[in-house]
Amino acid sequence: QSVLTQPPSASGTPGQRVIISCSGSDSNIGDNYVYWYQHVPGTAPKLLIYRNNQRPSGVPDRFSGSKSGTAASLAISGLRSEDETDYYCASWDDSLSGWVFGGGTKLTVL
Amino acid sequence: EVQLLESGGGLVQPGESLRLSCTVSGFDLSHYAMTWVRQAPGKGLEWVSSISAGGRSRYFADSVKGRFTFSRDNSKNTVYLQMNSLRADDTAIYYCVKGGNTTWSGLDPWGQGTLVTVSS
Repeated sequence: QSVLTQPPSASGTPGQRVIISCSGSDSNIGDNYVYWYQHVPGTAPKLLIYRNNQRPSGVPDRFSGSKSGTAASLAISGLRSEDETDYYCASWDDSLSGWVFGGGTKLTVL
Repeated sequence: EVQLLESGGGLVQPGESLRLSCTVSGFDLSHYAMTWVRQAPGKGLEWVSSISAGGRSRYFADSVKGRFTFSRDNSKNTVYLQMNSLRADDTAIYYCVKGGNTTWSGLDPWGQGTLVTVSS
């Protein structure tokens, strides 16, 4: 059972916009930044969004993040076949004194 | 270019020990916190441990507390995860991750990971 809650799966057709949610609590998302990672199994996870809504250089502006209270979301617009993989949210948890992750969302591009 | 290279993974029996190393390049290790994250087969990402830039503060997931230790040798650009009393549920790919100037200020980039298999 992950501390942060994500839907296990999401899907969309090419060109569509998909939103992946991440729900936490006051001790993590409510008080700290949210980070989003794209993970192709067998490779190093890639940072997509940092500090709730900032995009590292090289990450397409199709990816965007937002946070409100104890929840966050990752939006992917203009969906492409190469977006089909796993996505994780993460945040520091003040009560646990450690990082917490969502259980991951497997995105399928239909 | 920032790079992290994990090593030391392998097959061990339950109860045995293993030490993972993560050698970094492209940045001054002494200024950054470091973290280990693992992924068990078919499971999601799980935080294991973090160490502050100066090494004074160490944090561990409950699942490894008392069995794992985290150390750093900035002069060798290397951090270490000493894993004792290994159990089958420690089987995972272990990723070394660069943090920010504090343990809670981000995780990026990640190494390619090293596989630890605990099995009799």
